[in-house]
Amino acid sequence: DAGVTQSPTHLIKTRGQQVTLRCSPKSGHDTVSWYQQALGQGPQFIFQYYEEEERQRGNFPDRFSGHQFPNYSSELNVNALLLGDSALYLCASSLSALAGKEQFFGPGTRLTVL
Amino acid sequence: AQSVAQPEDQVNVAEGNPLTVKCTYSVSGNPYLFWYVQYPNRGLQFLLKYITGDNLVKGSYGFEAEFNKSQTSFHLKKPSALVSDSALYFCAVRYFKAAGNKLTFGGGTRVLVKP
Repeated sequence: DAGVTQSPTHLIKTRGQQVTLRCSPKSGHDTVSWYQQALGQGPQFIFQYYEEEERQRGNFPDRFSGHQFPNYSSELNVNALLLGDSALYLCASSLSALAGKEQFFGPGTRLTVL
Repeated sequence: AQSVAQPEDQVNVAEGNPLTVKCTYSVSGNPYLFWYVQYPNRGLQFLLKYITGDNLVKGSYGFEAEFNKSQTSFHLKKPSALVSDSALYFCAVRYFKAAGNKLTFGGGTRVLVKP
């Protein structure tokens, strides 16, 4: 049973470019959340998708957008990249968006913005 | 608003000794609390959670945590630490009545277990 998978593993972009990160949830999970983890910090919640809709959003600008597909996989898009967007981007999946369900995390995508 | 504090940036312990990683939280109402561990270049691995019931929660790899409502704490413990427990540990909180299951994480505590 595959866990949460993310692609690509690493990515290098320059300021102003756009990037798309991809996530496949754990088998049987229908809810996907995205987190940004800057170096030396805890993960920060970006947004969550359930039933192909954004259900919750953290304090991130509109440059961060996402999508969830009918097979529950998800994409995170970041436009007009800034140096400060350099971070590890983590995808997490869970069975439903209920508060008590633990989230399972993927290995992350390391984004470097030059 | 919900928040989590992990007051220690790093905890050093000798192998075989007890390990404690501290966590305090602030949330309106009853919390759901979680512990995750992160190894280098890896995502977060779920260790345990407190939802309701017994204040002592047992989790993976011999870890346990004690929920203390009066002190708003959820400290992670392991009776006998292993060198392989060296990693970054995160405490997270969720307010159970809000929609969705967004987690708010602490800043992390690095654990170093010396042989």
